[in-house]
Amino acid sequence: DIQLTQSPSFLSASVGDRVTITCRASQGISSYLAWYQQKPGKAPKLLIYAASTLQSGVPSRFSGSGSGTEFTLTISSLQPEDFATYYCQQLNSYRFTFGPGTKVDIK
Amino acid sequence: EVQLVESGGVVVQPGGSLRLSCAASGFTFDDYAMHWVRQAPGKGLEWVSLISWDGGSTYYADSVKGRFTISRDNSKNSLYLQMNSLRAEDTALYYCAKDIDYGGNAGFDLWGRGTLVTVSS
Repeated sequence: DIQLTQSPSFLSASVGDRVTITCRASQGISSYLAWYQQKPGKAPKLLIYAASTLQSGVPSRFSGSGSGTEFTLTISSLQPEDFATYYCQQLNSYRFTFGPGTKVDIK
Repeated sequence: EVQLVESGGVVVQPGGSLRLSCAASGFTFDDYAMHWVRQAPGKGLEWVSLISWDGGSTYYADSVKGRFTISRDNSKNSLYLQMNSLRAEDTALYYCAKDIDYGGNAGFDLWGRGTLVTVSS
């Protein structure tokens, strides 16, 4: 199975900061990668699919890039509502896996 | 309203069985693949199973293969997960999720609130 790692696992940042989260796949997955945001007690929310396509309704401060084995999620200017846990997910093989998550906390 | 509502989660003994349901509304259910995803308490997300738009293709995580069965009834806008031979490690919040596409490998753009399954004696 394809394994995903995320770095960092925890990030402390301030409102207005630029934040970058990296997701690495154990083998090439083309652009079959999605990013999700999850807040405590809530279901995940799709932010980005196909590595770089912004889901409808998601603010443009979120962006995704990468292909193959290395991907990034960038938040250009962190807002108070962005403090959450972020997960990447590979959809290249029909045994979809999620990364372990990156928790973004208030500095 | 576009939504998914899961039900059926309860406390069950190890080795027991359970059937989860997910009722879809507000969109054309049979246009999309559907998934089950679970999250153990305090842990990350684990994909469980996928069913294509017509039910013709199904896929499972290794951790549940042979024990869980996904199905759908497009006439009732409903998704199901039959769970057999349950183990303590199956304890989790189970989410129903809609795929962006009919094939099932694009991304999950609509999620329910989840239903809690607890496997304990």
